[in-house]
Amino acid sequence: EAGVAQSPRYKIIEKRQSVAFWCNPISGHATLYWYQQILGQGPKLLIQFQNNGVVDDSQLPKDRFSAERLKGVDSTLKIQPAKLEDSAVYLCASSLVSGQGIGYTFGSGTRLTVV
Amino acid sequence: QQPVQSPQAVILREGEDAVINCSSSKALYSVHWYRQKHGEAPVFLMILLKGGEQKGHEKISASFNEKKQQSSLYLTASQLSYSGTYFCGTGSNFGNEKLTFGTGTRLTIIP
Repeated sequence: EAGVAQSPRYKIIEKRQSVAFWCNPISGHATLYWYQQILGQGPKLLIQFQNNGVVDDSQLPKDRFSAERLKGVDSTLKIQPAKLEDSAVYLCASSLVSGQGIGYTFGSGTRLTVV
Repeated sequence: QQPVQSPQAVILREGEDAVINCSSSKALYSVHWYRQKHGEAPVFLMILLKGGEQKGHEKISASFNEKKQQSSLYLTASQLSYSGTYFCGTGSNFGNEKLTFGTGTRLTIIP
């Protein structure tokens, strides 16, 4: 089966600019996650979707970050305006269902550098 | 609170064994283990659910002690391909696999 697709692979922007990342999960996977991974650290959850509804966005900096998952398939994560500390890899992951003892499949990520 | 992993880093010769520990301050329902190679996405290794089970495939196995809120990953007769950073991901709620990832353990296997 095809994996989790993410684009772009790399992005360099200046601070205060905006940026958007796209994720296409594995077909049929109801649950989608966006994680932020700062260099040398473990991934940190930003937002969790179940189909097209938000399950948890408690760690999403809502003053600058937004995410949506229209029609319960693709998802986009946006940052506006970006700060230097947003430099990180943004990972999208999906799973068939949540809470059934099934692991995540991660995409290759988008490496964001804010200068 | 982020689970704490130990050791932070370890270097082994091919064929040696390794143990990676993951400790949480919260009650756990599940523990996932992932391996991430440099510049790549984390890859799912295995999941352990509440019940104190031990799981394994090939030469990699894991245990979960929910009373101690700890899990350990065992790598036996390590191979060069085992190199990478290992993360545990812990879930606290039945019915929701939202994970909190640990601090990571960098494993380097040398010939």
